[in-house]
Amino acid sequence: DIQMTQSPSTLSASVGDRVTITCRASQSISSWLAWYQQKPGKAPKLLIYEASSLESGVPSRFSGSGSGTEFTLTISSLQPDDFATYYCQQYNTYSRFGQGTKVEIK
Amino acid sequence: EVQLVESGGGLVQPGRSLRLSCEASGFTFDDYAMHWVRQAPGKGLEWVSGISWNSGSIGYADSVKGRFTISRDNAKNSLYLQMNSLRAEDTALYYCAKGGLVVVIGYFDLWGRGTLVTVSS
Repeated sequence: DIQMTQSPSTLSASVGDRVTITCRASQSISSWLAWYQQKPGKAPKLLIYEASSLESGVPSRFSGSGSGTEFTLTISSLQPDDFATYYCQQYNTYSRFGQGTKVEIK
Repeated sequence: EVQLVESGGGLVQPGRSLRLSCEASGFTFDDYAMHWVRQAPGKGLEWVSGISWNSGSIGYADSVKGRFTISRDNAKNSLYLQMNSLRAEDTALYYCAKGGLVVVIGYFDLWGRGTLVTVSS
């Protein structure tokens, strides 16, 4: 089974900060990685697929990069609406999510 | 409106069965794979099962293999999850999710609001 490890588990940041979340796969998954945002009491929302493709309607301050086993989600300038939990998901072999990264207000 | 609406959740005793349903609207249902993803209270996301557009390819997480069965009815734009031999650890909010591709392996670009399953005596 492919394991997904996100870091950090919690991130404290201020509005306007540049934020980076890392996701590591236990084996190569090529570019078969997606990122989701989830707010309390809401369903997850797709942000990025195929490691770096921005889902339609998602603000351009979100970007993804990486391939193989190491990936990053970057928020270029954190906005109030971005405080949420973020998950990576590999879909190279069925599917598995990372444990999540909570972005909270500093 | 493009949406997924789950139903069928509830309180069930350990060892019993439950069938979840998901009704899709606003898109061509049989053009996409469909999935179930669950989230235990206060925990992260766990993929449960997925089914390709024509039911030709199906996958399950190890935690539910042999107990859960996914199916779809393209004529009714509906997805199902038959859950047998339920355990306390199956307690979660179950989301229906649309795959971004026709094949069972893929990302999830549309989610329902979820239906809560509680397994307890």
